Amino acid sequence: QKEVEQNSGPLSVPEGAIASLNCTYSDRGSQSFFWYRQYSGKSPELIMFIYSNGDKEDGRFTAQLNKASQYVSLLIRDSQPSDSATYLCAPQSGSARQLTFGSGTQLTVLP
Amino acid sequence: SQTIHQWPATLVQPVGSPLSLECTVEGTSNPNLYWYRQAAGRGLQLLFYSVGIGQISSEVPQNLSASRPQDRQFILSSKKLLLSDSGFYLCALSTGNYQPQHFGDGTRLSIL
Repeated sequence: QKEVEQNSGPLSVPEGAIASLNCTYSDRGSQSFFWYRQYSGKSPELIMFIYSNGDKEDGRFTAQLNKASQYVSLLIRDSQPSDSATYLCAPQSGSARQLTFGSGTQLTVLP
Repeated sequence: SQTIHQWPATLVQPVGSPLSLECTVEGTSNPNLYWYRQAAGRGLQLLFYSVGIGQISSEVPQNLSASRPQDRQFILSSKKLLLSDSGFYLCALSTGNYQPQHFGDGTRLSIL
């Protein structure tokens, strides 16, 4: 059974700080990795995706992937109160490129 | 651009009643389509996925079923709802290998 573990929350950081979100996964066949943000009562929205080992930066967001360690992370620099949400990690695998979601980490950015 | 339509946004149903949730997409052809359920305070659980018309794969055995009668239409059904079927139902699409999934606005289902 595919498992995805995310660091337990809730996580609180002050405005302007770096938020670090971690995720480990069990399926070594996972090829792509996605981070979604979900505001309370809303559907998930894609933030970033990463395919290759290393870092990928997009604005204030940096995704890091280490396939050997089966570990993926998301860093949010200069955190803003609008970043307060639940962040979902989702490795992708299978013939239909199914996603397996972690239970999410709730982030609160304090003004 | 791709658009996913889900309706209704909220639904309250009694235990034992039938269910039909519809998802339609625009702006793409032959997408992979997915149904997820999110219980309160939990992550997303994949229920069904479809790679083409009439092709349905089930991830979790339960009293739900899915159908894809047209390329851009994906339907989630139940003949008799259980209390445990309450949750936030999300339809998602992907346009190909290694492409991200994008979600509709979802249907919040409450079973009484």
